[in-house]
Amino acid sequence: ETGVTQTPRHLVMGMTNKKSLKCEQHLGHNAMYWYKQSAKKPLELMFVYNFKEQTENNSVPSRFSPECPNSSHLFLHLHTLQPEDSALYLCASSQDGLAGGGTDTQYFGPGTRLTVL
Amino acid sequence: GENVEQHPSTLSVQEGDSAVIKCTYSDSASNYFPWYKQELGKRPQLIIDIRSNVGEKKDQRIAVTLNKTAKHFSLHITETQPEDSAVYFCAASITAGTASKLTFGTGTRLQVTL
Repeated sequence: ETGVTQTPRHLVMGMTNKKSLKCEQHLGHNAMYWYKQSAKKPLELMFVYNFKEQTENNSVPSRFSPECPNSSHLFLHLHTLQPEDSALYLCASSQDGLAGGGTDTQYFGPGTRLTVL
Repeated sequence: GENVEQHPSTLSVQEGDSAVIKCTYSDSASNYFPWYKQELGKRPQLIIDIRSNVGEKKDQRIAVTLNKTAKHFSLHITETQPEDSAVYFCAASITAGTASKLTFGTGTRLQVTL
């Protein structure tokens, strides 16, 4: 259960605040992902990073800004969020099957429960 | 892009009975289909997956079947136990040399009653 860690686990912020979510993977994977999980909606892919390079931005509003300084760390910087952004934000990592000799299986972190007031 | 539909949204079975959850996908190029289990307040965890080169895979009480022609895949849980109660998500992706991009279904809340 410690392969992918996320901090903080809970975050309450006002609409004018700036905060950051952190994800760290200890599995030696090359790819990292941010997902948003809202009640009664499917897991929504937000961003994908492969070898530190962003390969997917799923039409995410600019108030969410990802950063991937290396293959083990992923951040999500938050600013001027809206109440509808309240959700569970999940990070995941995987090892690319074709180029990295892995299985593409994504392993999830515990998530950050975000509440925007 | 890919669209994954999942049914039913809720499922209640008695302990010992079987449970079946079905998913359909839209992109015929999808080649990887994992199933995740998420218990309340916990992270999604992979329970089984299948690739497009096989039609069925089994792991103890859990099995997954894939019909590429019809573009649907199903999760089968036999001899259900109370600890099987959770939300189950199916997903589909195309793996093609870059990081896999999973599209998830909306989830099925399984309740196993005594």
